[in-house]
Amino acid sequence: DTAVSQTPKYLVTQMGNDKSIKCEQNLGHDTMYWYKQDSKKFLKIMFSYNNKELIINETVPNRFSPKSPDKAHLNLHINSLELGDSAVYFCASSQVRSGGGLYGYTFGSGTRLTVV
Amino acid sequence: AQSVTQPDIHITVSEGASLELRCNYSYGATPYLFWYVQSPGQGLQLLLKYFSGDTLVQGIKGFEAEFKRSQSSFNLRKPSVHWSDAAEYFCAVGERGSTLGRLYFGRGTQLTVWP
Repeated sequence: DTAVSQTPKYLVTQMGNDKSIKCEQNLGHDTMYWYKQDSKKFLKIMFSYNNKELIINETVPNRFSPKSPDKAHLNLHINSLELGDSAVYFCASSQVRSGGGLYGYTFGSGTRLTVV
Repeated sequence: AQSVTQPDIHITVSEGASLELRCNYSYGATPYLFWYVQSPGQGLQLLLKYFSGDTLVQGIKGFEAEFKRSQSSFNLRKPSVHWSDAAEYFCAVGERGSTLGRLYFGRGTQLTVWP
């Protein structure tokens, strides 16, 4: 059983389109994240949800909108796609320790988004 | 804000040679420390983590890392590299006491292994 699963794995779309990426975790973790990995492999956090509540919202264009229907799911919707949105998007989950901190992330396998 | 520096963008070693990947961090207290590995086209896999206690931690695939508070470092080592270790390696720092669960990642070190 895949712990953190993302769909689709690859996404090729034209500029201006709207697309969604879905993420599901079966680990029982309470916190989920979206990270963007650029062409130089740099990982930058975009959003984080804890028990369906948005807790991290980095400086991301408002064309990006996350949604967490329950603590096992975190989706990312992107409106009006631009060339610069091409990247690999990773979903991750973790369990925050009592007292703060965390046990570490479990990552999905990523969604490679190509905007043409 | 926390920062993580991986000074080596690319390292090449011969199979069977020893390996050390460097990681330095900037944080006011002792953070939680992690090393992740990313194989081509894959997600990131946790190699090992440090929370507290013994400063030498063992991980999967024969890797180990040593936390040195005085140097703000958490270097990853392996005594004998295998061709399958070729991948991108990321060091990450988590904030102790934070309920946000944010990880700060270094820019990664790409490891090439020569046969």
